[in-house]
Amino acid sequence: DTAVSQTPKYLVTQMGNDKSIKCEQNLGHDTMYWYKQDSKKFLKIMFSYNNKELIINETVPNRFSPKSPDKAHLNLHINSLELGDSAVYFCASSSSTASAGYTFGSGTRLTVV
Amino acid sequence: GENVEQHPSTLSVQEGDSAVIKCTYSDSASNYFPWYKQELGKRPQLIIDIRSNVGEKKDQRIAVTLNKTAKHFSLHITETQPEDSAVYFCAASNDYKLSFGAGTTVTVRA
Repeated sequence: DTAVSQTPKYLVTQMGNDKSIKCEQNLGHDTMYWYKQDSKKFLKIMFSYNNKELIINETVPNRFSPKSPDKAHLNLHINSLELGDSAVYFCASSSSTASAGYTFGSGTRLTVV
Repeated sequence: GENVEQHPSTLSVQEGDSAVIKCTYSDSASNYFPWYKQELGKRPQLIIDIRSNVGEKKDQRIAVTLNKTAKHFSLHITETQPEDSAVYFCAASNDYKLSFGAGTTVTVRA
């Protein structure tokens, strides 16, 4: 029974397309996050939601729009995909604050061609 | 914001030897310091963590130390085994988010 699940696992798409990645957690956690891991393995936070409210929005282009329909789900929609968006996107959750520790999803490898 | 620096970026050790990875952080408000292990193609997984009111923590072959005054913390792996080969990330939290170091690729030579 997967704690934090992401779909799809792989996504290959052309430049200019719009795509979405979905994340669901069954841990009862209040806070969810999106991280981007680039080709150099660096993990950088993009967004954080607590009980459906946006609490962190790092310097991310407006083409990225997160949506949290409830506290168990956090989706990421990306418009007008660019080559530089190619990366692995990880969803994570924590029970309250980040200091409670994260559980990561399995990641979505996005390749823009 | 928090800035976490991690060294070295790569580490090659002989099986059975020890490995040490060091991190520094900038935000004195950070209070939680986890370490994650990421195997190729997998998700980062928590291997050990330490909070700001503790100086040292050990779990079998891995240990973490924290020096709040100097704002640095370290991961120690003893008696390394081939399955310890992975990328290791340190992180620091100020409650709102985890800020990660750039990662250390550890290779254990048989």
